[in-house]
Amino acid sequence: ETGVTQTPRHLVMGMTNKKSLKCEQHLGHNAMYWYKQSAKKPLELMFVYSLEERVENNSVPSRFSPECPNSSHLFLHLHTLQPEDSALYLCASSQDGTGLNNEQFFGPGTRLTVL
Amino acid sequence: AQSVAQPEDQVNVAEGNPLTVKCTYSVSGNPYLFWYVQYPNRGLQFLLKYITGDNLVKGSYGFEAEFNKSQTSFHLKKPSALVSDSALYFCAVRDWDLSGNTPLVFGKGTRLSVIA
Repeated sequence: ETGVTQTPRHLVMGMTNKKSLKCEQHLGHNAMYWYKQSAKKPLELMFVYSLEERVENNSVPSRFSPECPNSSHLFLHLHTLQPEDSALYLCASSQDGTGLNNEQFFGPGTRLTVL
Repeated sequence: AQSVAQPEDQVNVAEGNPLTVKCTYSVSGNPYLFWYVQYPNRGLQFLLKYITGDNLVKGSYGFEAEFNKSQTSFHLKKPSALVSDSALYFCAVRDWDLSGNTPLVFGKGTRLSVIA
């Protein structure tokens, strides 16, 4: 195990639903990340938090809303998603977000299916 | 801008043979390079990294990678492949001369299949 957990592991939701993905890291890291992994595409960085402040938002649609209440927890709130949002959503953490110690540790991911 | 390319979607190799998974990168400054592996239904696991120093970097599970500045490459290698090495491999780069928050940029991944 990498020290990063994600729940749920699988999620099926309709386009009108509201759901949240949860990530927790037990490594004492200061930076956390959300990635989207779709088949045959590069990993897409969605959000970066460093010391609980959002430092990166790669033009992600507003139907994805991150929340970082503390350095150990990261949420991704989902509402009115589209079928093309179906993917594996990966959470990662690193000791810091900018320096040479930003080797990232990944959770197992949440497999999201939007119907 | 920083980018990374993995030119092969799929690499097949027989068990016991040497394997190479290719990666080339583009940065404006000096690269900070990583390899990660993803097994089925799992997140990415760190294999090795290059910051500076020796061009040959050794990592987990017997993998190594060679940094070649003139060819802007960082190919992943293993002398003798195992069936258990079958997985999806990702190369990633960060330009460590850039200031501010510059996260890693990942390639699209290469699927390695080791055949018994």
